[in-house]
Amino acid sequence: DVKVTQSSRYLVKRTGEKVFLECVQDMDHENMFWYRQDPGLGLRLIYFSYDVKMKEKGDIPEGYSVSREKKERFSLILESASTNQTSMYLCASNTGPIGYTFGSGTRLTVV
Amino acid sequence: EDKVVQSPLSLVVHEGDTVTLNCSYEVTNFRSLLWYKQEKKAPTFLFMLTSSGIEKKSGRLSSILDKKELFSILNITATQTGDSAVYLCAVGGSGGSNYKLTFGKGTLLTVNP
Repeated sequence: DVKVTQSSRYLVKRTGEKVFLECVQDMDHENMFWYRQDPGLGLRLIYFSYDVKMKEKGDIPEGYSVSREKKERFSLILESASTNQTSMYLCASNTGPIGYTFGSGTRLTVV
Repeated sequence: EDKVVQSPLSLVVHEGDTVTLNCSYEVTNFRSLLWYKQEKKAPTFLFMLTSSGIEKKSGRLSSILDKKELFSILNITATQTGDSAVYLCAVGGSGGSNYKLTFGKGTLLTVNP
């Protein structure tokens, strides 16, 4: 089975901190994605990547950046965390036109 | 911009009832439609549909796609309390390797004993 691992399940950070959310997949998938999920808003795409060192903005990239230096790892960076970035963050990967495999999610609280 | 609309947004039923969840979509270069179930953690895959009129079935759950009318339904028969969850519909579009999913807001299903 494909595994997508997110490094933290729960995270509490202070406003203004730089935050790194890590995601690692073990099945050589080309495509990786970061979503955030908020009540009433569903899953919204932040950034995605189709290859190493490639990245594309999703629907809500403001306040975020990403890094993909190796195929298996896709990092989401909050340059200066703000309270409106408190959310559940989901990483996913796939290869080709099939469904995603999701990580278990990181619930981030910014205080 | 790709769009997925699910209805209803929430639903409360009693055990044993049958429910139908709806998903309509507008997407560039449709590739597939997927249903996921989400309890308190990450979404888990239920079905992927690519062809119109072919029902996919797994136990008490079934789903069908209408590519002409741009919608899908997810049916759950003889509901159980364990079916309580958010059900997400997602549509994959674009071409080649540029494949990504656009999600609806989900339907929150509550099954009471």
